[in-house]
Amino acid sequence: EVHLVQSGGGLVKPGGSLRLSCAASGFIFTNAWMSWVRQAPGKGLEWVGRIQSKSDGETTDYAAPVKGRFSISRDDSTNTLFLQMNSLKTDDTAVYYCTIDSGHYGYWGQGTLVTVSS
Amino acid sequence: DIVMTQSPDSLAVSLGERATINCKSSQSVLYTSNNNNYLAWYQQKPGQPPKLLIYWASTRESGVPDRFSGSGSGTNFTLTISSLQAEDVAVYYCQQYYSSLGSFGQGTKVEI
Repeated sequence: EVHLVQSGGGLVKPGGSLRLSCAASGFIFTNAWMSWVRQAPGKGLEWVGRIQSKSDGETTDYAAPVKGRFSISRDDSTNTLFLQMNSLKTDDTAVYYCTIDSGHYGYWGQGTLVTVSS
Repeated sequence: DIVMTQSPDSLAVSLGERATINCKSSQSVLYTSNNNNYLAWYQQKPGQPPKLLIYWASTRESGVPDRFSGSGSGTNFTLTISSLQAEDVAVYYCQQYYSSLGSFGQGTKVEI
């Protein structure tokens, strides 16, 4: 059974940094493309970014609002996905989800709340 | 970037009646080489992550009731709930995966 277990959310001041983790199990993580999707309070879904598998070059793509501030990485030895968030803004306040990226997203983590506030 | 626009923003449907949600993309999400539409639909209930309902515009995810169906091609798509049940109250999103930069519609809230 596929599991995506997230950790690392919390309260951070504007300009600060935070790293989210997503521990994966139940599938071959090494072969998987993974994405992050976020949802601001009371708002819709917003794609944040993606990392390809190592065999596909481990290429990353990012949405315009986070490009240059956020970085996605992976550790295939521990089946863990990361989202490093720097220069955080109040607009980054959201629940962040990790997903298996098959183009569409059939599996989601439980979500973790990131609050950016002074 | 491909912009996804859903209509309506919300709708109220009686139990057992049909619900129809539309999704329009700013450019075609039909990949002509394989004739697949790179379009998915999700259901989200409060406090839960989204659940995949439909992919390739019309393929139902395993375990999804057959009252949910997807149709359309190119830039215009529809999610239909043929006979609304109480447990279908949720927000529904379309998503395109044609572009390397993913994008979702703004969501449609379905109420009884």
